[in-house]
Amino acid sequence: NAGVTQTPKFQVLKTGQSMTLQCAQDMNHEYMSWYRQDPGMGLRLIHYSVGAGITDQGEVPNGYNVSRSTTEDFPLRLLSAAPSQTSVYFCASSYSMGGQGYGYTFGSGTRLTVV
Amino acid sequence: GDSVTQMEGPVTLSEEAFLTINCTYTATGYPSLFWYVQYPGEGLQLLLKATKADDKGSNKGFEATYRKETTSFHLEKGSVQVSDSAVYFCALDNFNKFYFGSGTKLNVKP
Repeated sequence: NAGVTQTPKFQVLKTGQSMTLQCAQDMNHEYMSWYRQDPGMGLRLIHYSVGAGITDQGEVPNGYNVSRSTTEDFPLRLLSAAPSQTSVYFCASSYSMGGQGYGYTFGSGTRLTVV
Repeated sequence: GDSVTQMEGPVTLSEEAFLTINCTYTATGYPSLFWYVQYPGEGLQLLLKATKADDKGSNKGFEATYRKETTSFHLEKGSVQVSDSAVYFCALDNFNKFYFGSGTKLNVKP
């Protein structure tokens, strides 16, 4: 089925460990982004990409790295996990941004716990 | 900067009651507006959208009208069901940036 695929669905990390959250879409969407969702704070943008080879920071980028080597994939790397990064992470993609109303397609999320 | 403000929840209603969830926005230019729904343990799903002033988005009995004069995009449904219990997010798209409200949890009791 077409859509946004995130792996893993659940992950427990120890403080200081690193890991990569995977995100792949098969809709040929140009625009991809990563959000974190915390109770009472809605969704906050971490990083986004408007196309292969182009990335930019969002609202809360510290502690995270991204790269976009292909249109399909947009992995999120946690460099040295901290308890403050315990959250649910969502990857989303869109055909384009620019007020044209395409909206986002979201993945099902990765629930990360850092102990 | 751009932002979205929506009413705090939770909102608790009885089945068949009328639903309104308020959403107002601040943005330069002419953003597109959206409502997303999130069921427990799932990602967000697009519920409806409107791309210009006075447009009405509708889906599954839900409606919202893009009101530029009041910068609002309130979500309404005439008769809610238990299956509508979820978290609802208002959002805007304004050129390379997507802004979400904090979400409103809806509980519908039988």
